[in-house]
Amino acid sequence: KQEVTQIPAALSVPEGENLVLNCSFTDSAIYNLQWFRQDPGKGLTSLLLIQSSQREQTSGRLNASLDKSSGRSTLYIAASQPGDSATYLCAVNNYGQNFVFGPGTRLSVLP
Amino acid sequence: NAGVTQTPKFQVLKTGQSMTLQCAQDMNHEYMSWYRQDPGMGLRLIHYSVGAGITDQGEVPNGYNVSRSTTEDFPLRLLSAAPSQTSVYFCASSYGLAEGNEQFFGPGTRLTVL
Repeated sequence: KQEVTQIPAALSVPEGENLVLNCSFTDSAIYNLQWFRQDPGKGLTSLLLIQSSQREQTSGRLNASLDKSSGRSTLYIAASQPGDSATYLCAVNNYGQNFVFGPGTRLSVLP
Repeated sequence: NAGVTQTPKFQVLKTGQSMTLQCAQDMNHEYMSWYRQDPGMGLRLIHYSVGAGITDQGEVPNGYNVSRSTTEDFPLRLLSAAPSQTSVYFCASSYGLAEGNEQFFGPGTRLTVL
């Protein structure tokens, strides 16, 4: 059974810092890994999707990498801003299976 | 495109009442799913559908029913609400579960069962 963990559970950084969020999964036979952002009381917004055949994806200040063999993905946020404060979730789906979500990392970027 | 829409945004029920949470998408997605999100439990899959007329159970299906009569709509029914069903419910859709298929989420329904 696929299990997804995220470290750290919470992170507080001053504005302008570069930071890394981690996502680990136990079964490497995945189709996709998707990173989401969730603001308090809101739905999930898709940030990046990495296919199993890819090693990274970039969107603006965000860069996500995927290492299937080690069961890890990282989300790198450059030059963090207070508006980046949110909970970040990763989710994976295995061949023919539904998505499994991690518990999330709660990020606070202090002005 | 409106994307994935959910109604209502908020709902309060009494124990034993029934209701239907609505979900619709206008992206012609075959795959749709329902999750519940609880503090400390993360997102858990309730039911999903891989196309019109096809539904299946997820991780926590008890107390919920679904049907998929059209590609666009995927309602979730609570037959007899219980306080344990107090949660935030999210509907999601995608083209499928294959490589490259991104999931899109609705804004959620916050349900309280008294």
